Formats: sequence, structure tokens, C-alpha cells
Amino acid sequence: DADVTQTPRNRITKTGKRIMLECSQTKGHDRMYWYRQDPGLGLRLIYYSFDVKDINKGEISDGYSVSRQAQAKFSLSLESAIPNQTALYFCATSASGYEQYFGPGTRLTVT
Amino acid sequence: AQSVSQHNHHVILSEAASLELGCNYSYGGTVNLFWYVQYPGQHLQLLLKYFSGDPLVKGIKGFEAEFIKSKFSFNLRKPSVQWSDTAEYFCAVNGVTGGSYIPTFGRGTSLIVHP
Repeated sequence: DADVTQTPRNRITKTGKRIMLECSQTKGHDRMYWYRQDPGLGLRLIYYSFDVKDINKGEISDGYSVSRQAQAKFSLSLESAIPNQTALYFCATSASGYEQYFGPGTRLTVT
Repeated sequence: AQSVSQHNHHVILSEAASLELGCNYSYGGTVNLFWYVQYPGQHLQLLLKYFSGDPLVKGIKGFEAEFIKSKFSFNLRKPSVQWSDTAEYFCAVNGVTGGSYIPTFGRGTSLIVHP
């Protein structure tokens, strides 16, 4: 089984809709991250969490919110989706300072 | 704030050619360094990492990287590439900010290897 799972894998939604992307990990790590990937821009950090009660904004948090429901679960919400949030979203987990383990990604299209 | 710069955005090589991808970072403190690879349609996977010790580190699939502290560089190399190395490559840095390691990624280098 995969260490990091993401649901859904693909999603098409309309402008203004609220959408939630979910992530679960079985690595037992405290740290979890949400990134978006856009062609030519690499990975940009949206939010990160060091434990259930510690959530931090990343480089591009505007328009996004997160919830850490448990050590193993970290969800990303788009409160009111807009077309420029069309991207590939990755969840990742790590131990402090160590390499990250990535999920398979969610391809989100906002029309 | 820390930043990572990857100099080559697109690289096209023929099989058996040598590869070197540049990565420079800006951060004044202790860092952990990584290269990740993303094969077409897949998620990122760790290629190699450097924490301390021998500055020449070896990773999977014949890749290696050299950490040069004075140049703030961590370049990725492979003596002879294969068609299956076609992928996107990301350099990443974990630097301590506010007492915690925060990751930063470069913009990536797209490598195409022609058979």
C-alpha cells in the first residue's frame, strides 16, 4: 500500500465552488505539507503542519485553508475556487529535516 | 528567506551523454539538501540527499551530487544518461527557520533523453 494517499485524484469544478482535497499517510510522521505544482514554477508550499495543533502558512496560502484532523490526515480546502487555482496538488510528509514522501497528486481544474 | 535556483530549465541529451544539473541555494545556516525526480505522470521521489560528511553523495540509478559549501551549490551528475532518465528533476533545501526545518524547492529542470 502507498505511504501517502490523496483523494480525489482528478477533479473538475466550477468557479466559486468549495472543494476539499484529502491526504492520509501511514509513515507515522508528524510533519505534513501541501504543495501546488505549475509548469515552470516548480513546487510551491501552500501550508505545512508540524503536528495536529501546529499549522503554518507557506509561500502561497491565500485562497486556501487546511485542517489537520489527526496525525495521519491533512486536508486542503479551496473556499471559493477560481480558475488560476487550476494546478496539480501534492501532499507530502516527512520527519523533521528529512526527505519528504509525496502522494500521487490531485489534478484540479477550475472552469 | 532561503531560496533555491536551478540554472537549467530544459535539457535535451542523447543516450550515453553525461549530465550535470546545477543547483544553488541561498541560506546562511545549516541545510539538508535533496534531489528529487518526477517521472512523467508520477509523484516526486527521492533521488539522493546530503546531510553531512562526504560532500560527494551517491543516489539511485547511478546519480550522484556534490555539495560545495563555499559555492552554496549541490549539482547533480550522471556519467551516462539513459532514455528512462527522462523526467523532471527538483533540487530542494531544508533550512532551519525559527527553530524548525522548512523545505524550499527549485523550479525544476526538465530532462529529455533521446534514444
